[in-house]
Amino acid sequence: GAVVSQHPSRVICKSGTSVKIECRSLDFQATTMFWYRQFPKQSLMLMATSNEGSKATYEQGVEKDKFLINHASLTLSTLTVTSAHPEDSSFYICSARDALAGGSDTQYFGPGTRLTVL
Amino acid sequence: DAKTTQPPSMDCAEGRAANLPCNHSTISGNEYVYWYRQIHSQGPQYIIHGLKNNETNEMASLIITEDRKSSTLILPHATLRDTAVYYCIVFSSGGSNYKLTFGKGTLLTVNP
Repeated sequence: GAVVSQHPSRVICKSGTSVKIECRSLDFQATTMFWYRQFPKQSLMLMATSNEGSKATYEQGVEKDKFLINHASLTLSTLTVTSAHPEDSSFYICSARDALAGGSDTQYFGPGTRLTVL
Repeated sequence: DAKTTQPPSMDCAEGRAANLPCNHSTISGNEYVYWYRQIHSQGPQYIIHGLKNNETNEMASLIITEDRKSSTLILPHATLRDTAVYYCIVFSSGGSNYKLTFGKGTLLTVNP
């Protein structure tokens, strides 16, 4: 299956700093990528949809100025958590859409990034 | 809101088949049934998807009822590494909405 990577896998930062997370589709081009957040013992919650070359679409309640998303190429999307605070500590997961001919497509997920804000 | 219903947990003996049910009674004609699983502290892993025909790949089989209101994911010979949360998601790639909505899934525990 298609492979999606994330970097870094784990990051610890001080409160008030910014953290950038990269998501790459390694063997396919992804016109659409997604960013999710998962708190302990909860399911994945979609934060935003990222389309290559255009602005991201954020879900209700997600601050676009705090979670900056850039999708500059067909294989790379980045999420920057600006002025991070302890409540931003979470597991951040990206996915990339592999659109297939015939109408069905599949999203493949990265391994996730564990963010801890002190 | 998730449009599927799954049991919160199931147990299975190692080496036996694991049959995970999913109800999706409000599924529409152009929606596919997708299955993912998430092993602890990892990103979700795609397993299989189908529209109305049964599907099989190297990981699992997907059985969809004729009325498409429910489906069953079958892991033919479960191993300890199959212990994970399994998510059943209905999804239509038509139009411009490609969002997956995750419910709570089924925690499958494979016991030795």
